[in-house]
Amino acid sequence: QKEVEQDPGPLSVPEGAIVSLNCTYSNSAFQYFMWYRQYSRKGPELLMYTYSSGNKEDGRFTAQVDKSSKYISLFIRDSQPSDSATYLCAMSPLRGGYQKVTFGIGTKLQVIP
Amino acid sequence: EAGVAQSPRYKIIEKRQSVAFWCNPISGHATLYWYQQILGQGPKLLIQFQNNGVVDDSQLPKDRFSAERLKGVDSTLKIQPAKLEDSAVYLCASSLDRGRTNYGYTFGSGTRLTVV
Repeated sequence: QKEVEQDPGPLSVPEGAIVSLNCTYSNSAFQYFMWYRQYSRKGPELLMYTYSSGNKEDGRFTAQVDKSSKYISLFIRDSQPSDSATYLCAMSPLRGGYQKVTFGIGTKLQVIP
Repeated sequence: EAGVAQSPRYKIIEKRQSVAFWCNPISGHATLYWYQQILGQGPKLLIQFQNNGVVDDSQLPKDRFSAERLKGVDSTLKIQPAKLEDSAVYLCASSLDRGRTNYGYTFGSGTRLTVV
């Protein structure tokens, strides 16, 4: 079983739709959760990060963590064609010193105008 | 702030040849990472440097891959000899804080390697 599971998609939605992207994980040591966006032929860029359980909102993006279920989500409201990209979840344990980040395989999102 | 610079952007080589990639991190970032991203997969950490020193190279295939970071700034990743399964995008990333990965990395655009 992989430490981080993520549906690769592709996920196609019409412009303006609410998008829900999800990851599950098996390592209960994970405490920091991140979402990266990766455009074609570009490196990933950090969208949001959260610590432990709860919600965090930034503009049209909301990150949600449910540690009891080992489940994290990223919601995109009023989706735009420019949101078309691959979204990678990533997580790391809370540990002193150097923290290893584990990435999901990414979900490819296409927003249709 | 200038981003993480990587070169070359693309490289095509035959199997058993050698290849080298270069990375220049964001100025002042002490931690530098090399990731391998195979098509359809998430990035996999190959090696992590803190200044000049190696922090984690547990997933680096040391029989063919090597990396160095001279003077705690630029870094090179080398593959010798290359295999077909090394075809991937090689991403360099850097971060400001020592091991504070909770704040995320800044990635470069990567080097796309094709081994034929």
